[in-house]
Amino acid sequence: GGIITQTPKFLIGQEGQKLTLKCQQNFNHDTMYWYRQDSGKGLRLIYYSITENDLQKGDLSEGYDASREKKSSFSLTVTSAQKNEMAVFLCASSPRLGGDAEQFFGPGTRLTVL
Amino acid sequence: AEKVIQVWSTASRQEGEELTLDCSYETSQVLYHLFWYKHLLSGEMVFLIRQTSSSTAKERSGRYSVVFQKSLKSISLIISALQPDDSGKYFCALWEPYDTNAYKVIFGKGTHLHVLP
Repeated sequence: GGIITQTPKFLIGQEGQKLTLKCQQNFNHDTMYWYRQDSGKGLRLIYYSITENDLQKGDLSEGYDASREKKSSFSLTVTSAQKNEMAVFLCASSPRLGGDAEQFFGPGTRLTVL
Repeated sequence: AEKVIQVWSTASRQEGEELTLDCSYETSQVLYHLFWYKHLLSGEMVFLIRQTSSSTAKERSGRYSVVFQKSLKSISLIISALQPDDSGKYFCALWEPYDTNAYKVIFGKGTHLHVLP
């Protein structure tokens, strides 16, 4: 088995601040994802990375940057935090890109912007 | 318009009962995949079961099974012999390609399940 860790677990920021969320997986999976979950809404895909050094935009990429530094890690940056923003950011990985490959999720980072 | 719809936001059942969670979706793709995930209170999101659009097999995994009605664009998750640990939020998700190496994953809003002992 493997595990996905996300740091920090809770992130409190100020309006306009640049915030970075980190994700590590030891599954040796090729593909990694960042999702955003808002209350009352389904998860929305922000960025994904097919393999190391690859980046693909999801539906919600505006306002975010991502970086796949190495195969095991995928970072997400909120470029300018929005006031009163509250959301959970979930990182996931899968063995390969494709709908036949299940995604494994991390425990999430809960963001609050004051 | 929402592409993945889970009509019920909450559901409650007694331990030992069976539950069906419904999900409808919209897609113009021929090949797509549907997933069911469970979101635990700990924050962990757990994969439960997958249905491929081209498959006619009745997917089953332990106490989880699906009813896939492709012509109706509907997929239901059935959980048998409910246990209190089954409580949580269940998400239906649609994976569809739209370009080479490009795809969309669209999640429904989820259904909170409460299993009463």
